[in-house]
Amino acid sequence: KQEVTQIPAALSVPEGENLVLNCSFTDSAIYNLQWFRQDPGKGLTSLLLIQSSQREQTSGRLNASLDKSSGRSTLYIAASQPGDSATYLCAVRGSSNTGKLIFGQGTTLQVKP
Amino acid sequence: EPEVTQTPSHQVTQMGQEVILRCVPISNHLYFYWYRQILGQKVEFLVSFYNNEISEKSEIFDDQFSVERPDGSNFTLKIRSTKLEDSAMYFCASDGDTLAGGLQNEQFFGPGTRLTVL
Repeated sequence: KQEVTQIPAALSVPEGENLVLNCSFTDSAIYNLQWFRQDPGKGLTSLLLIQSSQREQTSGRLNASLDKSSGRSTLYIAASQPGDSATYLCAVRGSSNTGKLIFGQGTTLQVKP
Repeated sequence: EPEVTQTPSHQVTQMGQEVILRCVPISNHLYFYWYRQILGQKVEFLVSFYNNEISEKSEIFDDQFSVERPDGSNFTLKIRSTKLEDSAMYFCASDGDTLAGGLQNEQFFGPGTRLTVL
C-alpha cells in the first residue's frame, strides 16, 4: 500500500531564504507526482506535475525534482516571500489505470517578513 | 482560466440528515473525483467517476455515499444519513482534458465544501 510522507511538518524561515520541502513515497511504481499549495480553509492549487519519466519541473521560483527509484521528490522554493506562507502537499498517482491521488500530510510553511 | 466550482461553500446539517454536495468540473475533463479532508488530517480519496459510472472507490465510500452526474455539467456527492464523523472538507476534482488527448495528468481541485454535522 502506497504511503506518502512529508518532512518537515512545519517550517519557519525569514523572507528571502531558499528552502527545500521533502516528500517520500514507499512504492516507486508511480505514474506521476503533483505538488499542491493549500491556504488555510481553502482548496488545493496545483503547482507542479512531474511525470514518472521526468526528473524535474520548474515554474517561476518553484522547482520540483523526482527520484523515482529512491521514492523521493523535493520542492525547492527560491527567494521565499511572505506570500509563500501556506501548506504544501505532495500527492502521487499509482498507475495510468487509476486517477486516485495519495497525499502526504503536508508541510506548513511560514515566511516571516 | 477554467476552474472546478463547488457549492455550497459551507453546509451545516443534523446527524441523520441527507446532504448533497455539488460540483461543476472543468468542462473538457472526462474524469471526476471526490476527496475529503478531516480537520488536521491528510486529504483522502473517496471515489472516481468516468463515463457515467464509478471507476474506483475507497473503503470510506460505503453504502451511505453515492455520486451522480445528473446532467452534462454537474457532479454530485450524496451522503444519505450523515454521521458526526462525516464532518470534513469535501473536495471535487477533475482531469483528463479531451483537448490534450484525455490523459489523466494534472488534477484540478475545487475550493471545497465544509460539511459540519451536529
